[in-house]
Amino acid sequence: DQQVKQNSPSLSVQEGRISILNCDYTNSMFDYFLWYKKYPAEGPTFLISISSIKDKNEDGRFTVFLNKSAKHLSLHIVPSQPGDSAVYFCAAANSGGSNYKLTFGKGTLLTVNP
Amino acid sequence: GAVVSQHPSRVICKSGTSVKIECRSLDFQATTMFWYRQFPKQSLMLMATSNEGSKATYEQGVEKDKFLINHASLTLSTLTVTSAHPEDSSFYICSAVISTYRGYTFGSGTRLTVV
Repeated sequence: DQQVKQNSPSLSVQEGRISILNCDYTNSMFDYFLWYKKYPAEGPTFLISISSIKDKNEDGRFTVFLNKSAKHLSLHIVPSQPGDSAVYFCAAANSGGSNYKLTFGKGTLLTVNP
Repeated sequence: GAVVSQHPSRVICKSGTSVKIECRSLDFQATTMFWYRQFPKQSLMLMATSNEGSKATYEQGVEKDKFLINHASLTLSTLTVTSAHPEDSSFYICSAVISTYRGYTFGSGTRLTVV
């Protein structure tokens, strides 16, 4: 049972436009969500996170929106740049848990075309 | 910032041999480290949680005798793939927690190919 789902395996966007990456979760115990970016043959790098007490968090070109009732979050990148091309993983955690476990989605490959 | 160094980045080994992958925290002490495995176009799957000075906690379905984890110090965790088979070929990634989720730092990964 996949608790974190990224239903779009890939997304292609024109440079300068907005990229919207979506993520759904099923476990109601999740209360902390993160987005990671990953290039081929490299480890993921942290992008942005959001706690369930918020519905939006913004950091530069990156904004994460959380809809708790729908168990849905999205990452907006605006404006998109070719260097943003990578696989984006959504991850979720139960901050009340004692071992900091993250559950990852399968990732979405974002391609930003010049 | 906190850096996790993972070595080797790429290794090819013969079936039946063992391979050790190291994960070091360079400028912080990592009480807890995690080992993930990623198949092509798949999610990062947590294999085990490594705690300094104690036995690792393995996820369901992960063979603890095959994937030996040692976390002997606050800066080093190792994953040894014993008696490797071609189906063990994968991308293995370690990560460490500092104090917050933002400090959940990943190593650069190891591409293991078993021939």
